Amino acid sequence: GENVEQHPSTLSVQEGDSAVIKCTYSDSASNYFPWYKQELGKRPQLIIDIRSNVGEKKDQRIAVTLNKTAKHFSLHITETQPEDSAVYFCAASKGGFKTIFGAGTRLFVKA
Amino acid sequence: DAGVIQSPRHEVTEMGQEVTLRCKPISGHDYLFWYRQTMMRGLELLIYFNNNVPIDDSGMPEDRFSAKMPNASFSTLKIQPSEPRDSAVYFCASTNLPGRSPLHFGNGTRLTVT
Repeated sequence: GENVEQHPSTLSVQEGDSAVIKCTYSDSASNYFPWYKQELGKRPQLIIDIRSNVGEKKDQRIAVTLNKTAKHFSLHITETQPEDSAVYFCAASKGGFKTIFGAGTRLFVKA
Repeated sequence: DAGVIQSPRHEVTEMGQEVTLRCKPISGHDYLFWYRQTMMRGLELLIYFNNNVPIDDSGMPEDRFSAKMPNASFSTLKIQPSEPRDSAVYFCASTNLPGRSPLHFGNGTRLTVT
């Protein structure tokens, strides 16, 4: 079955710096890769997603890149702000099947 | 749409008691997922349904756990008997097409078993 590994588990950056979170997946048939943000005590919420026919997608300060050959995808947050502090989860899925999550990255943005 | 609705938000029970968690998915979403979240194990998929039919329950930890979806707008996750190690946040999520659309999570049920 699918396995998703996520690194780092904890990331601390200074406000205004960039943050990068990396994930790898095992099932080459996976074709959809969402990223979720979970604030303390809240539910996970989608922040950006990418499909396997696209190499990069950007939405304001966040971007995601996908390397299908390496089975690797990454989340990039630029100009980080204190409100970006949260746990971020990557995930992988394929049509009609379950979504598997990475272990999560706890991001701290220091003001 | 009100989103995915879960109840109760918090549940505190004693070991050995039966616990029932409830979920109402977003109308029109054919897929419903139950996840358990703990610090140690992260977000674990317990079971998921498509058109009210259980598709994969390989994540259900043991026979003490059971889930049903009697209709398109309601699902339950039952633990009987409950144990302290079941303490976690249980999330329900729905989507209309996994693999193309994101999951929409409910607010979760925080279960504490003493």
